[in-house]
Amino acid sequence: DAKTTQPPSMDCAEGRAANLPCNHSTISGNEYVYWYRQIHSQGPQYIIHGLKNNETNEMASLIITEDRKSSTLILPHATLRDTAVYYCIVRPERGTGGGNKLTFGTGTQLKVEL
Amino acid sequence: NAGVMQNPRHLVRRRGQEARLRCSPMKGHSHVYWYRQLPEEGLKFMVYLQKENIIDESGMPKERFSAEFPKEGPSILRIQQVVRGDSAAYFCASSFLAGDPYEQYFGPGTRLTVT
Repeated sequence: DAKTTQPPSMDCAEGRAANLPCNHSTISGNEYVYWYRQIHSQGPQYIIHGLKNNETNEMASLIITEDRKSSTLILPHATLRDTAVYYCIVRPERGTGGGNKLTFGTGTQLKVEL
Repeated sequence: NAGVMQNPRHLVRRRGQEARLRCSPMKGHSHVYWYRQLPEEGLKFMVYLQKENIIDESGMPKERFSAEFPKEGPSILRIQQVVRGDSAAYFCASSFLAGDPYEQYFGPGTRLTVT
């Protein structure tokens, strides 16, 4: 599985955009980038995923660099409820067997403050 | 559409007892995954099941742990003769199909405490 590297922690002021980086320099052509978050021991929550193009949904935006070696998750207007551990996961290609499981790293602890 | 449901939410067992954890996937999902999160650690994959079949159990401990997903009813993760090191949060996830781009949706987890 492609390895991901994330900063261990980040702070963000409430109402500002939170930009969470992820490095995945060994990603291969058909591997997707997924983002999940875990709010204080709750079950992980799916946020967004992408392959090559930038993606946006009601929760966040995902910006993937052209060479796909890194990505950034953007929470446009962070609130206190966005305080959580954010996991960037590279998922092996479907059908390879490894795509059946998510490999969670240590993630980034995002703290949103007033 | 109800999400993934797990019960019990909290389970206390004494060493040597059996623990049975249940997971009901989201409606329409036939793929179930179990993950374990030890205290202060990340989530680790344990097993992936489809109805009546274990597809990938590469993350399951070799002894005392078993999982099933019968044709009818919830998926069960069973831990026999529990030990203190089994104390953890156990999360179940489900998906419509396996692999990307089908995301896995997680339940709230079962927190097992072994005394």
